[in-house]
Amino acid sequence: QLQLQESGPGLVKPSETLSLTCTVSGGSISSSSYYWGWIRQPPGKGLEWIGSIYYSGSTYYNPSLKSRVTISVDTSKNQFSLKLSSVTAADTAVYYCARAEDIVATGPWGQGTLVTVSS
Amino acid sequence: SYELTQPPSVSVSPGQTARITCSADALPKQYAYWYQQKPGQAPVLVIYKDSERPSGIPERFSGSSSGTTVTLTISGVQAEDEADYYCQSADSSGTWVFGGGTKLTVL
Repeated sequence: QLQLQESGPGLVKPSETLSLTCTVSGGSISSSSYYWGWIRQPPGKGLEWIGSIYYSGSTYYNPSLKSRVTISVDTSKNQFSLKLSSVTAADTAVYYCARAEDIVATGPWGQGTLVTVSS
Repeated sequence: SYELTQPPSVSVSPGQTARITCSADALPKQYAYWYQQKPGQAPVLVIYKDSERPSGIPERFSGSSSGTTVTLTISGVQAEDEADYYCQSADSSGTWVFGGGTKLTVL
């Protein structure tokens, strides 16, 4: 069955770039039916969509984060990645990757990874 | 900006019916989606396109829409349904928007 797994540093310094990778197993990231998305959740707070990517490389970003976000896909590794630049403490959150269909995360989701921004 | 408003909390006794509302601040409203999130776990989609139920989701979960308000209804609530529930939709540019979440407590 399809599984997603986030990986990357759990601690990032302020002003630096947060980098995470989502590895997809049990299926191909190149399926024409799906998008691949990043969603985050600050501790004790709600969900926020960061952006999504299609296997072809087409990207869709949350306007509130667009100036700092880059999402890319590597079909040869069955992975997609998130880069968030100039991070501050407000970017501390659990970051999830998920499979999506258009504007909904139909799943599955990764287990999530906590990224803390602190010096 | 497009916003979705949910009540912060809803409490029901086991076997009762829980209703969680999600109000959009603008027309036209696009389809809405509902996620269930239990502590320490990733969200799970329980309703899509206002009222459709994904495979594997119990029949006690249902959704409805009226005007700019969508409602998640859980009939015959069970203890295992205690969780946070989030509605989600998109604005006219396709930006995903989540409601603030509702904590369902089973008394």
